[in-house]
Amino acid sequence: QVQLQESGPGLVKPSETLSLTCTVSGASLSSYYWSWIRQPPGKGLEWIGYIYYSGSTNYNPSLKSRVTISEDMSKNQFSLKLSSVTAADTAVYYCVRDTALTYWGQGTLVTVSS
Amino acid sequence: EIVMTQSPATLSVSPGERATLSCRASQSVSSNLAWYQQKPGQAPRLLIYGASTRATGIPARFSGSGSGTEFTLTISSLQSEDFAVYYCQQYNNWIIFGQGTRLEIK
Repeated sequence: QVQLQESGPGLVKPSETLSLTCTVSGASLSSYYWSWIRQPPGKGLEWIGYIYYSGSTNYNPSLKSRVTISEDMSKNQFSLKLSSVTAADTAVYYCVRDTALTYWGQGTLVTVSS
Repeated sequence: EIVMTQSPATLSVSPGERATLSCRASQSVSSNLAWYQQKPGQAPRLLIYGASTRATGIPARFSGSGSGTEFTLTISSLQSEDFAVYYCQQYNNWIIFGQGTRLEIK
């Protein structure tokens, strides 16, 4: 079955770059849309962006200047980089498949703090 | 940018009763609308996609309707496990979520 697993540092300092990786099993990155979604503690869901069709990307306009999503087909992984982070970027980060978001990772909490 | 507005913010319903949640889009999203359920400490779970198609394994008491700008999620007879936060999401133009409706026990 399809499984997604986020990995990366749980603590990032302000002004630095948040980096997360999603490892996918049971599906090929060359098909489907692959998104990053985040949820600040106690708040709602926010789409960050997606990668699709072997490398095309779209990003949330409010984050576009700071976001890069990329993929490593050899490892069946896709990654998120969010630069110049502040405390407002503290959230649970999910990797997800499709545009109707069918398969979700368990999520990983990233805290931005010095 | 499309804005998704859910109402009410909180809905109090007794077990066994019907719950009706609403979602409005600021412009047409056709039928590219999904609903999710989220329980504390868990990732959201897809309930409905295409405005009215139940996802795999979702009980028949969950139903979705609407198209264009007005959508509804109905839970016909609330079970204890249904009390959670529900989000609508459009995927007609990128991905945008509503702010959520908290369904609580009355």
